[in-house]
Amino acid sequence: RKEVEQDPGPFNVPEGATVAFNCTYSNSASQSFFWYRQDCRKEPKLLMSVYSSGNEDGRFTAQLNRASQYISLLIRDSKLSDSATYLCAVTFNTGGFKTIFGAGTRLFVKA
Amino acid sequence: DVKVTQSSRYLVKRTGEKVFLECVQDMDHENMFWYRQDPGLGLRLIYFSYDVKMKEKGDIPEGYSVSREKKERFSLILESASTNQTSMYLCASSRTGETQYFGPGTRLLVL
Repeated sequence: RKEVEQDPGPFNVPEGATVAFNCTYSNSASQSFFWYRQDCRKEPKLLMSVYSSGNEDGRFTAQLNRASQYISLLIRDSKLSDSATYLCAVTFNTGGFKTIFGAGTRLFVKA
Repeated sequence: DVKVTQSSRYLVKRTGEKVFLECVQDMDHENMFWYRQDPGLGLRLIYFSYDVKMKEKGDIPEGYSVSREKKERFSLILESASTNQTSMYLCASSRTGETQYFGPGTRLLVL
């Protein structure tokens, strides 16, 4: 079983739609959680950190469920510019802090 | 602004050559990482380092080595390049447990 798993998609949604991604992780000692966005042929960039209480940044909401070991990302009112690959990342302590990324979920938002 | 730079954007090497990929960060981050990214497989951790001269194996260290002689610089070495090491190589740095900042990546083609 992979340490961090995501549905690869692609998700094809119309503008204005709400779309949700989930990401599961296997290490119960995981300590930090993140969503990154990666545009085509570019490096990943942080979209948002994920906190136990859940957090929101404009149209984006991230949630963490430690009991079920998953994190989620909700995008409301999708824009064409949201088209990208969304990577979840999980960090845990192995002496140093190791971060494992999911393989990413591709999102296409269409007019 | 955090800046992570990688020595080359594109590199073409022949099978058996020794290849050096260099990464430099300017934010005094303790942690540095090397990933490779391949279609359908996402980001896979090769090696990481949480301090000068410290290194830990990631998930796919075979065929690679690393060097961290100075805090700002983390080098990835392919001792004898093989065609299956053709990939996009991404370097990242972070403070412990925090957001990773990525370099622009090096596309390596091994012929």
